[in-house]
Amino acid sequence: DARVTQTPRHKVTEMGQEVTMRCQPILGHNTVFWYRQTMMQGLELLAYFRNRAPLDDSGMPKDRFSAEMPDATLATLKIQPSEPRDSAVYFCASGSRLAGGPGADTQYFGPGTRLTVL
Amino acid sequence: KQEVTQIPAALSVPEGENLVLNCSFTDSAIYNLQWFRQDPGKGLTSLLLIQSSQREQTSGRLNASLDKSSGRSTLYIAASQPGDSATYLCAVRRQGGSEKLVFGKGTKLTVNP
Repeated sequence: DARVTQTPRHKVTEMGQEVTMRCQPILGHNTVFWYRQTMMQGLELLAYFRNRAPLDDSGMPKDRFSAEMPDATLATLKIQPSEPRDSAVYFCASGSRLAGGPGADTQYFGPGTRLTVL
Repeated sequence: KQEVTQIPAALSVPEGENLVLNCSFTDSAIYNLQWFRQDPGKGLTSLLLIQSSQREQTSGRLNASLDKSSGRSTLYIAASQPGDSATYLCAVRRQGGSEKLVFGKGTKLTVNP
């Protein structure tokens, strides 16, 4: 059955290293969301894309984070350089917005990437 | 700035009990409200979505209500089962063009056999 996939599922890295997380949205979905979940802050939206174009990345620290969609089947979230405070679970979600519709109301979440920065 | 609060943070009940989870939000100008379920190590699964013009939504043993003017929503679970054990999160989407969801921190529910 269709589902959002994320790789890697777990990542442990040292401070200063580059981290790349990947997401494959459900085939045919045109909206992709990136979230970060921590115990302190809960779940927060970092950025989202429609038809591969960024619509809102206001939740993302611009100096070290970047999000892209090289093609419709792949979304990436990069952190360079990584810091211990970036340790969190990063979720990707996808949805479908019909032309003229109000938006991708139903978001389908991937299993997340658990990032630990030492 | 929209803030979403869920009380209690954790809840433990015996199997078969009916229970209510609470969600409150500070800005009533919302487009919709959703309840999600999150299992340990897993992503979120959407349970119910209530549009701002609606008062409630039902799915099986779940019923979600919305009182937009007072900034509150409840998720009612009937005849709870151990399989209902999970963290339940509510999220609101504001009016306007953004599809950003603002989440509460969740209520961790444990249903004991």
